Amino acid sequence: DIQMTQSPSAMSASVGDRVTITCRASQGISNYLVWFQQKPGKVPKRLIYAASSLESGVPSRFSGSGSGTEFTLTISSLQPEDFATYYCLQHNNYPWTFGQGTKVEIK
Amino acid sequence: EVQLVESGGGLVQPGRSLRLSCIASGFTFGDYGMSWFRQAPGKGLEWVSFIRSKAHGGTTEYAAAVKGRFTISRDDSKSIAYLQMNSLKTEDTAVYYCSRDGSGSYSLGRILDYWGQGTLVTVSS
Repeated sequence: DIQMTQSPSAMSASVGDRVTITCRASQGISNYLVWFQQKPGKVPKRLIYAASSLESGVPSRFSGSGSGTEFTLTISSLQPEDFATYYCLQHNNYPWTFGQGTKVEIK
Repeated sequence: EVQLVESGGGLVQPGRSLRLSCIASGFTFGDYGMSWFRQAPGKGLEWVSFIRSKAHGGTTEYAAAVKGRFTISRDDSKSIAYLQMNSLKTEDTAVYYCSRDGSGSYSLGRILDYWGQGTLVTVSS
């Protein structure tokens, strides 16, 4: 199975901060990576697909990069509505696997 | 408008069975693979199972934790995906979500773009 190591597991940040979340795959997954945002009690929302393609309607402050084994989700200027938990998912091989999640909290 | 609506969750005793349904609308269901995911209370997301479209063989995949106990199926005439869950364990307690995967017939842009609202399964005596 492919392990997805996501870091950090939690972070405190202020509005306007640049935030970077990393996912490392235990083996190469090309660009078969999706980033989700989830708020408490809500359904996961896709932000990025194919590692770097922005979901329609998602603000441009969100961006994804990487290929192979190293991937990054960046929020260029954190907004109040961005406080949430973020997950990466690899869908290159079965079983599909998620990172452990990154909870972004208000500093 | 694309919609996915899960149903069938509830409280069930360990060892018993439950069948979840995911009713789809607003898109050509038969063109899509369908996945089930789950999220235990206070925990992260977990992929559970996947079924390919008929055009891609209709074959299935399972997470190790559910293989042999859960069965995914689909009825394209009704636009429904099912998850039959047998021999339920307390650790199967979670909100179960369905989502679509159009990457086989279309592009990566149509993978996991829509999710249902989830249905809660509680396994407890």
